[in-house]
Amino acid sequence: GAGVSQTPSNKVTEKGKYVELRCDPISGHTALYWYRQSLGQGPEFLIYFQGTGAADDSGLPNDRFFAVRPEGSVSTLKIQRTERGDSAVYLCASSSGLASPYEQYFGPGTRLTVT
Amino acid sequence: QQQVKQSPQSLIVQKGGISIINCAYENTAFDYFPWYQQFPGKGPALLIAIRPDVSEKKEGRFTISFNKSAKQFSLHIMDSQPGDSATYFCAARVTSGSRLTFGEGTQLTVNP
Repeated sequence: GAGVSQTPSNKVTEKGKYVELRCDPISGHTALYWYRQSLGQGPEFLIYFQGTGAADDSGLPNDRFFAVRPEGSVSTLKIQRTERGDSAVYLCASSSGLASPYEQYFGPGTRLTVT
Repeated sequence: QQQVKQSPQSLIVQKGGISIINCAYENTAFDYFPWYQQFPGKGPALLIAIRPDVSEKKEGRFTISFNKSAKQFSLHIMDSQPGDSATYFCAARVTSGSRLTFGEGTQLTVNP
């Protein structure tokens, strides 16, 4: 079946602008994760959804970052007043949440560049 | 606080050789340890994973060795191939369904 998809694949924006990044998880996966990967680093956790609710948002760096998953499927990561330090690859992952050990499958990521 | 430390940062191996990447963790509550492979411009792909109740897991040319007392685990790639050239990340998770904590990554180059 189809894997995790993310759009856009690349996003270039000016400092101070608002951006939205979209994640479409594997069909039927109830858990959805957002990570951020800076150049040469491992992914860093941002937020985790179980169904429609954010079960853990402790990785969001500040209140400029927000994510939603209104119908328990597609999720949108929203970044307000973007800063150059927000430039990174934003990765989305999903897992079934039904069978141990809940492997996480990643999408290709959205490369965000803030100029 | 870096909870999963990975080494080496980069590794060059000849075709047919064994690639070994090591990780050490601090949090004894971690209960699941996956390895991911990432090619440039792609997302991480799950390679193999282990639970702390076993000391070794093998899938094809890939083996995870796990030492619970030392809080260390490693990935061994047997008969390394140029197509294995990628960045490898170890990771760890506390409870089912929760966040993954990743190591810093190892860039593997397999020379033909």
